[in-house]
Amino acid sequence: QQQVKQSPQSLIVQKGGISIINCAYENTAFDYFPWYQQFPGKGPALLIAIRPDVSEKKEGRFTISFNKSAKQFSLHIMDSQPGDSATYFCAASPAYQLIWGAGTKLIIKP
Amino acid sequence: DTGVSQDPRHKITKRGQNVTFRCDPISEHNRLYWYRQTLGQGPEFLTYFQNEAQLEKSRLLSDRFSAERPKGSFSTLEIQRTEQGDSAMYLCASSPGKSQGEKLFFGSGTQLSVL
Repeated sequence: QQQVKQSPQSLIVQKGGISIINCAYENTAFDYFPWYQQFPGKGPALLIAIRPDVSEKKEGRFTISFNKSAKQFSLHIMDSQPGDSATYFCAASPAYQLIWGAGTKLIIKP
Repeated sequence: DTGVSQDPRHKITKRGQNVTFRCDPISEHNRLYWYRQTLGQGPEFLTYFQNEAQLEKSRLLSDRFSAERPKGSFSTLEIQRTEQGDSAMYLCASSPGKSQGEKLFFGSGTQLSVL
């Protein structure tokens, strides 16, 4: 019940395309859902986050879609750029600790 | 640079040795977290401090691991009698401590290799 399942494991998208990464959770007590971006040799950095009282949140080219009834949420990266190539992690928080997905390695082809 | 800093960046040790890592959080942040990350996986929660109090520790964490945050400032993570399975990236993060779900600021981590 504590797991967060993330897919796909890896993703290749053409420059200018839309990158979509999906996550699913089981525990309905989770109430905070962030997405983190990680470059090699660096710690993760917060990209965007959502709480379950809204179904969508947009910040620039990044959008989270949240489906509470399905217990799923996804990250959409519009107009994907080579600089977006990184590993992306979804996470969910039941309290003060985050439960993380396994990550998606995103490659944007020029 | 006022971000989270970790020292050392890399540590190579022999099995059975003790190692200690240091984390300096963002100065005004009350909360400090330790995570462990292995290749191809998301970070795994180890422990969490609110000021100097250690409030939560993962049940999966061996008693060979201990963490401190004296005076609520920097923190140290010690691993005693290291094993090859301890090889991982150890990440420290801090946050302001104003709400339950909030942005974590991560350091660049300490990469531990146990030979």
